[in-house]
Amino acid sequence: DIQMTQSPSAMSASVGDRVTITCRASQGISNDLAWFQQKPGTVPKRLIYAASTLQSGVPSRFSGGGSGTEFTLTISSLQPEDFATYYCLQYNNSPFTFGPGTKVDIK
Amino acid sequence: QVQLVQSGAEVEKPGASVKVSCKASGYTFTDYYLHWVRQAPGQGLEWMGWIHTNSGGTHYAHNFHGRVTMTRDTSISTAYMELSSLGSDDTALYYCLLLAPSSSGVWGQGTTVTVSS
Repeated sequence: DIQMTQSPSAMSASVGDRVTITCRASQGISNDLAWFQQKPGTVPKRLIYAASTLQSGVPSRFSGGGSGTEFTLTISSLQPEDFATYYCLQYNNSPFTFGPGTKVDIK
Repeated sequence: QVQLVQSGAEVEKPGASVKVSCKASGYTFTDYYLHWVRQAPGQGLEWMGWIHTNSGGTHYAHNFHGRVTMTRDTSISTAYMELSSLGSDDTALYYCLLLAPSSSGVWGQGTTVTVSS
C-alpha cells in the first residue's frame, strides 16, 4: 500500500501569511493527488485534484503543485475562513490513502 | 445540483452489523465510482473502498476485508455500505463521496454510527 505523510502536522499562522503544506507518497503516484479542507463539524471539501487543478468555486489563493512523490498545497494569503485541517489523498493505486492531516490554526 | 444524501444515525451493539445508504441525484449514477470514507471522533480520514456503480464491482481497503460489503441499486441511484462484526473502534462518521477528477467531488452529509453495549 502507498503511505502518505504530511508536514507539518500542525501550524500556527496569521491572516495574510503564505502557507505551504507538503505531502509525500511512499512511491510515485504521478499527479493522482487531491487536497481536502475540513473545518470542525463539517464535511470535507475538495480543493484541488490532479495535484494542481483547482476545484470549481475554490478561491485562487489556493494552489497545488508537485508530481511523483512530493506535493504541496499553498495558500498565498491566509484568510480567516482558511483555518482548518487539510488532508491529501492519493488515488493512483487502490487502496487509496489519505495523509494524516495538517491543522492550521490562528497564531 | 449533484447531491449525495445518506441515511440517518445508527446505534448498534458490539458484534452487530450496520447498513448505510447513499442516494445520488443530479447526475447519472452509473457515470462514477462511489467511495466510502470514515472518520472516528477526533481522528483523520480513512478510505474504506469503492463500488463501480455500473458493474457493481468493488475494492476494499485491507483493514475492512471480510467485514465490509458495498452494493448498489441502480434503479433508485442508491449505494449501500454494510459493515459487520462491529466493535467500539467502528464508532465513526461514515461518508459516501465522489472522487473522480471529472466529478464534482461531492460528499454525502455523513452518517454517525455508534457502537455501544
